[in-house]
Amino acid sequence: DSGVTQTPKHLITATGQRVTLRCSPRSGDLSVYWYQQSLDQGLQFLIQYYNGEERAKGNILERFSAQQFPDLHSELNLSSLELGDSALYFCASSSLLGRFNEQFFGPGTRLTVL
Amino acid sequence: GEDVEQSLFLSVREGDSSVINCTYTDSSSTYLYWYKQEPGAGLQLLTYIFSNMDMKQDQRLTVLLNKKDKHLSLRIADTQTGDSAIYFCAESPYGGSQGNLIFGKGTKLSVKP
Repeated sequence: DSGVTQTPKHLITATGQRVTLRCSPRSGDLSVYWYQQSLDQGLQFLIQYYNGEERAKGNILERFSAQQFPDLHSELNLSSLELGDSALYFCASSSLLGRFNEQFFGPGTRLTVL
Repeated sequence: GEDVEQSLFLSVREGDSSVINCTYTDSSSTYLYWYKQEPGAGLQLLTYIFSNMDMKQDQRLTVLLNKKDKHLSLRIADTQTGDSAIYFCAESPYGGSQGNLIFGKGTKLSVKP
């Protein structure tokens, strides 16, 4: 158990809908990362928050947004869902900024868009 | 742009050594990582190497880094069936405040008894 929790574990929804994925980082970790894992694209970095502030952005679509709350949990919002958004979404947390960055991954949320 | 490449599949017999190879693109990456993903689970950091090192050994794991060729390898000695998983190579190309990782697509290691 990494100490990172993600809910829900599975989510099935329809095209055009909006969903929210939730992540609670390890106790004391200030940094939260979101990654998308799909068969064709592999594991892609989406976005990073550090202590409530957006720190880095990767291949995140405009239909997607995230935030980190004062209690450090984070939510990833996916809207106008398309079939191609079906994927595993991982949250990771770390305590540090900087070059050495051990990230602890949650178990993921599997999103299926029908 | 950044790209990390690794072969997709590797099959070995129990007791043999496994070698998983990876090439990365960003020479400024200070740390390079190997993560392991077991079925239905998230990724777990297996080991890492600092870019000024050529080799790092950790029990059955040996990491070799050829910085000139931007080539990283992970050797698992005496591979066991429990080592069956997907292994991801990753680099952290941005120093300072950005710690996101760039991952390869993963090598699926199958260990036959």
